[in-house]
Amino acid sequence: QQQVKQSPQSLIVQKGGIPIINCAYENTAFDYFPWYQQFPGKGPALLIAIRPDVSEKKEGRFTISFNKSAKQFSLHIMDSQPGDSATYFCAARTGTASKLTFGTGTRLQVTL
Amino acid sequence: EPEVTQTPSHQVTQMGQEVILRCVPISNHLYFYWYRQILGQKVEFLVSFYNNEISEKSEIFDDQFSVERPDGSNFTLKIRSTKLEDSAMYFCASQLPSGARYEQYFGPGTRLTVT
Repeated sequence: QQQVKQSPQSLIVQKGGIPIINCAYENTAFDYFPWYQQFPGKGPALLIAIRPDVSEKKEGRFTISFNKSAKQFSLHIMDSQPGDSATYFCAARTGTASKLTFGTGTRLQVTL
Repeated sequence: EPEVTQTPSHQVTQMGQEVILRCVPISNHLYFYWYRQILGQKVEFLVSFYNNEISEKSEIFDDQFSVERPDGSNFTLKIRSTKLEDSAMYFCASQLPSGARYEQYFGPGTRLTVT
């Protein structure tokens, strides 16, 4: 019940495309859903996060869509660039200081 | 911008040896975490630490692991007797006690290789 399922495992899009990464969860106690970006050899860096009282959040080219009834959330990257090529992890947590439970990651490659 | 730092960046050790991984969290943060990532896999929680004690630990964090905040700035993870399966990237993270985003800031990681 603590798992966060993420798909797809990998994704290749052309520059300017809109990759979409999906996550699903079971634990209804989760109340904070961040997305992290990780470049090879680096630590995860927070991209954007959402709480379940909103259905969408946009920051720059990154948008989270959240469907509370379906227990799913997704990351959309508008106008994707080669510099967006990285691994993206969704995560979830309960409470303000608890552990993050990560999805399995999506390796995104943006080609020219 | 303040950041979490970790040392060393890469540690190679022989099976059975003790290792200490070091982290300097962001200075006004009060919650501290260790995570690990086996090559190509997801990031897994190990332990969280607040007010000088462990607040939560995973089943991975067995008696071979310990954490300590020996002074006001460092946060360490000790593995007493390393096994081959301990080879992974170890990330430290820290967080403010409160805030609108409750963001955990991650360090760059220590790559531990057990031979």
